[in-house]
Amino acid sequence: SQQGEEDPQALSIQEGENATMNCSYKTSINNLQWYRQNSGRGLVHLILIRSNEREKHSGRLRVTLDTSKKSSSLLITASRAADTASYFCATDAMTGANSKLTFGKGITLSVRP
Amino acid sequence: GAGVSQSPSNKVTEKGKDVELRCDPISGHTALYWYRQSLGQGLEFLIYFQGNSAPDKSGLPSDRFSAERTGGSVSTLTIQRTQQEDSAVYLCASSLRIRELAGAGELFFGEGSRLTVL
Repeated sequence: SQQGEEDPQALSIQEGENATMNCSYKTSINNLQWYRQNSGRGLVHLILIRSNEREKHSGRLRVTLDTSKKSSSLLITASRAADTASYFCATDAMTGANSKLTFGKGITLSVRP
Repeated sequence: GAGVSQSPSNKVTEKGKDVELRCDPISGHTALYWYRQSLGQGLEFLIYFQGNSAPDKSGLPSDRFSAERTGGSVSTLTIQRTQQEDSAVYLCASSLRIRELAGAGELFFGEGSRLTVL
C-alpha cells in the first residue's frame, strides 16, 4: 500500500509564481524526504526533514512537516521553467532497525515560461 | 565512481528470457535499494541491502525476482522467465547509514535500467 500520497497529481503554473505540493502519509515516520525527477532520469534528493522538525529551508525550497496531521508540504518560490519535473515525497517509516523509503506516485509540475 | 552506476541502461528482451541488471553504488555506501517504476507511476520498493544481507525483501513481486550483493558493493537484480508486466525502469539507489536506528538518509539514485519485454 502507498505510504505517501501527493496532492495535486499535476500542477501547472506561470514562471515566477510559487508552487505548493502536499504529501500525506499513514504511519509514524523517522523522516520525510522530497525528491525531484526530470523526464527519463533518476531521482535527485531535494530535502530531508526529521520527525522532530517542523520546517526546513533550502534555497527556494521550503518544507513543512505536521506529524499530528501526518502531512508535509513542499513550497517552491519564484518558480522557473527549469523547475518543470516530477516531485515525489518519500517516507521512512519506523520499522525498527530496518529502514526503507516508501515513495508516493509523484506530482507533475509544469512551469510555463 | 562519482555516482551510482547502472547497466545496461536499456534492455529489450523476449518473454521467457532471463535478465540481469547491475548496480554499482557509491563507494562506501552501505545501504543499497532497488525500486521499480512503471510508466507514469511512482516507485515500487523491491529490496533493500545493508552490507551484503537483505533485511527486507518484501517488495519482490514473485519468486522470479532475486537479488544479491557481494563485497558490500555491486548488486545484481535477476529476473527469470520475464513477462511483459516486468517492463519498467529499474532504479537502484545507495545511501550512507551511519547508525542503525538513525533512519534512511539521503538516497543517491542511478539513471535506471529500462527493461522492455516483448
